[in-house]
Amino acid sequence: LAKTTQPISMDSYEGQEVNITCSHNNIATNDYITWYQQFPSQGPRFIIQGYKTKVTNEVASLFIPADRKSSTLSLPRVSLSDTAVYYCLVAANNAGNMLTFGGGTRLMVKP
Amino acid sequence: GAVVSQHPSWVICKSGTSVKIECRSLDFQATTMFWYRQFPKQSLMLMATSNEGSKATYEQGVEKDKFLINHASLTLSTLTVTSAHPEDSSFYICSAEGSGGGPREQYFGPGTRLTVT
Repeated sequence: LAKTTQPISMDSYEGQEVNITCSHNNIATNDYITWYQQFPSQGPRFIIQGYKTKVTNEVASLFIPADRKSSTLSLPRVSLSDTAVYYCLVAANNAGNMLTFGGGTRLMVKP
Repeated sequence: GAVVSQHPSWVICKSGTSVKIECRSLDFQATTMFWYRQFPKQSLMLMATSNEGSKATYEQGVEKDKFLINHASLTLSTLTVTSAHPEDSSFYICSAEGSGGGPREQYFGPGTRLTVT
């Protein structure tokens, strides 16, 4: 399974755009990049998934360069409620495929 | 859709007793469910993969006789912590896999906080 590396923590202020980068040098051809959000004492929640280039949904954008060895989660105009831990995972979209969570990035949004 | 529940949400038990945690997929069937453990300020660690109708697959270092997993139906998996000790105190999270598989189809429960005194 491809290992991921993320910054341990980040600070931001309300209204700013936050970009969290994840390195996954050993990503396999059939691996997808998925980001989860976790609030304290809750289970993780799916944010976004992509394979290459750019993916955007109602909450975030995901930028993936051509070599796919890294990815960047972009959160536009964060609010205090975006304070959470964000996990980057790489795994194939196969049934029964277990997920390996790395350390995650603890984002603190300040007023 | 795709809601996963856990029961109880928190439990306190005495050392030496056993505790059962339920994980249910409320609006979909899940052939595969996963159990994770998370200590404070740490990431989720996969404990075992549970497949309906068959024995669970445990990760290295997880004692299968201590953490009993039963996946008797397509909507229910249970984790029983036997002879619990204070070091088993943790946040236990399950996930259920929807159709298609992969990270996008894993739906996580809200977690169960276990405290062993």
